[in-house]
Amino acid sequence: DPKIIQKPKYLVAVTGSEKILICEQYLGHNAMYWYRQSAKKPLEFMFSYSYQKLMDNQTASSRFQPQSSKKNHLDLQITALKPDDSATYFCASSQEAQGGNERLFFGHGTKLSVL
Amino acid sequence: QQKVQQSPESLSVPEGGMASFNCTSSDRNFQYFWWYRQHSGEGPKALMSIFSDGDKKEGRFTAHLNKASLHVSLHIRDSQPSDSALYFCAAKDDKVVFGTGTRLQVSP
Repeated sequence: DPKIIQKPKYLVAVTGSEKILICEQYLGHNAMYWYRQSAKKPLEFMFSYSYQKLMDNQTASSRFQPQSSKKNHLDLQITALKPDDSATYFCASSQEAQGGNERLFFGHGTKLSVL
Repeated sequence: QQKVQQSPESLSVPEGGMASFNCTSSDRNFQYFWWYRQHSGEGPKALMSIFSDGDKKEGRFTAHLNKASLHVSLHIRDSQPSDSALYFCAAKDDKVVFGTGTRLQVSP
């Protein structure tokens, strides 16, 4: 059974619209992350949360807003979508965020296509 | 500039052969290194970590770290078709930064 659930698996959106990517983890971890993967760039760190608090934000655009309603949830809201936002978005988690040698566990990703 | 560079971009080995991946970082703040593997349509999965100089062996996988040169490598012996995937080096300072990736194809 997948321990990190991302919904939906595939998402098609029109330019200018807004979408929410869902992530839930059932590993009992305290830290959660969003990464983005596209053909142009490797796995790119976006956000990290620890105990539901934002720890790091490497996303230049405010169009990307993480939302954590519960400790094991970290959704990603994307507004004013652009074709360049097309990518696969991965949610990940780890036991702690600040530990030295934390292993990341990834979901299967949400593949977003913006037309 | 990408902080973690990998080579080669792609690699093809015959079944039973040795696959070798290289990774160089440009930031001496990185102290912990991981290797991840990503099969098509899935998320990356951790293979092994290394943070001390020298070799670390886990089954068919051997990682090597040279902190002085900021170089990490991964070797897979007796490669299998199921090893065909995208391999990432990852380094951690305050967050985990992934390398550019190497695509491995193991032919039967």
